[in-house]
This record gives sequence, C-alpha cells and structure tokens, in this order.
Amino acid sequence: QSVLTQPPSVSGAPGQRVTISCTGNSSNIGAGYDVHWYQQLPGRAPKLLIYGNTNRPSGVPDRFSGSKSGTSASLAITGLQAEDEADYYCQSYDSSLSGSRVFGGGTKLTVL
Amino acid sequence: QVQLQQWGAGLLKPSETLSLTCAVSGGSFSGYSWSWIRQSPGRGLEWIGAIHHSGAVTDYNPSLKSRVTISVDTSKKQFSLKLRSVTAADTAMYYCARDPNDYSNYWGQGTLVIVSS
Repeated sequence: QSVLTQPPSVSGAPGQRVTISCTGNSSNIGAGYDVHWYQQLPGRAPKLLIYGNTNRPSGVPDRFSGSKSGTSASLAITGLQAEDEADYYCQSYDSSLSGSRVFGGGTKLTVL
Repeated sequence: QVQLQQWGAGLLKPSETLSLTCAVSGGSFSGYSWSWIRQSPGRGLEWIGAIHHSGAVTDYNPSLKSRVTISVDTSKKQFSLKLRSVTAADTAMYYCARDPNDYSNYWGQGTLVIVSS
C-alpha cells in the first residue's frame, strides 16, 4: 500500500479535461514537501511531467498542470489526446520513519 | 541530450548481490544527485536511494538501507547500485535517474532483475 493515494484509474474522451488526485498526510504533502508527477507510457521509463507542484519541464505541453493544497495534490490534463493514455504517478517526500521519497500507487488514464 | 545507460546482471539467485551500473552522457555529472528507483507490480515505484555527484553524501530508503550501497565514479561519469542478500521480493525493473532536486528528470532505460532459485 502506497504512502500517497491515487485513484487506480480515470478516463475521458478526446478533448475533455481530467484530473488525477494524490492524497497524503501531515508527514508528506501536508508537511509542505513538494509534489512531482511522472507519466509512464507502456514499456517505457517514467518521464517527469510536473516538478515542484506546478512547474513543467521544457517540452511538456501546457495542457498538463499541477496544483497542491493541504495534504493533497492534483494533476490536470486538458484537451485530452489519445497519446495521453498512460500511467501517472505522484511523488513527494515523507518525513516519518527516517524520511524517504515516496510515490503514489499510480493512475491508469484511459482515453475513450 | 542527457542519456543514462544502465547495465547489470538480470537473473540472480536468492542471497546473491544485485549489481547495476549507470553511465551518464551528454550532460554534466556534477551539480546533481543520482538515484536508483525500482518498480514491481506488487510494490509499485520505490525509491532505493541517491548519491551526491561528489560521492560525499548518500541517502537511502530506510526500508532498504541495511542492504544497499550506492557509489560513484566521477572520472567515468558512472554510478552503481549494490543490493545484498536479494530475495524474490527484490524482483523488479530497476532504473537509474538524475536528480536536480528531490525528483528525477532523466531516467535510464531500465534493467529487469529477476531473483529465482
């Protein structure tokens, strides 16, 4: 069971907007640690999508955006495209038990 | 273009030591930390640990700390992972990655490690 909780799956039609939540607690997201998001296409290594809660690396379309509030964070994808079908993971830092980076369990996005 | 190329043994027996190496090309080695992360169907993505480019500072996942050593060879722009006393639970895809901060922005291609008797 992952320290950060994500929905196992979300879906949306092309052109629609979807959001993926990432819920933590007072030892991680709620403690003020940054949240980062990764996209993983089938058979590929994860790719950094959002860092520092809201920042996009160069080359990531502005259809992808991140937010954080309290003990949760969210990834929003607007103008959904078929190529967005992938697994998405959130990541933060957890200060309990000597501290470690932690990941969410991942969310499978299906483009209908 | 930053590239991370990793290699190592893919099939181990229980109690053996997992050994992987990652070579960095196309970018600076200094100024970053370098991580190992693994992924398995049962455990998802799991951060194993990281090392400062100088090798002076390491940080390990507490759940693996007793079995893990990450080292660096700055002259070769390489870093390595050793995980001792492996069991079936260590079967996973292992990735090396570059860390500008507490996240990874470049990843290796992955190495599938299977532990089986």
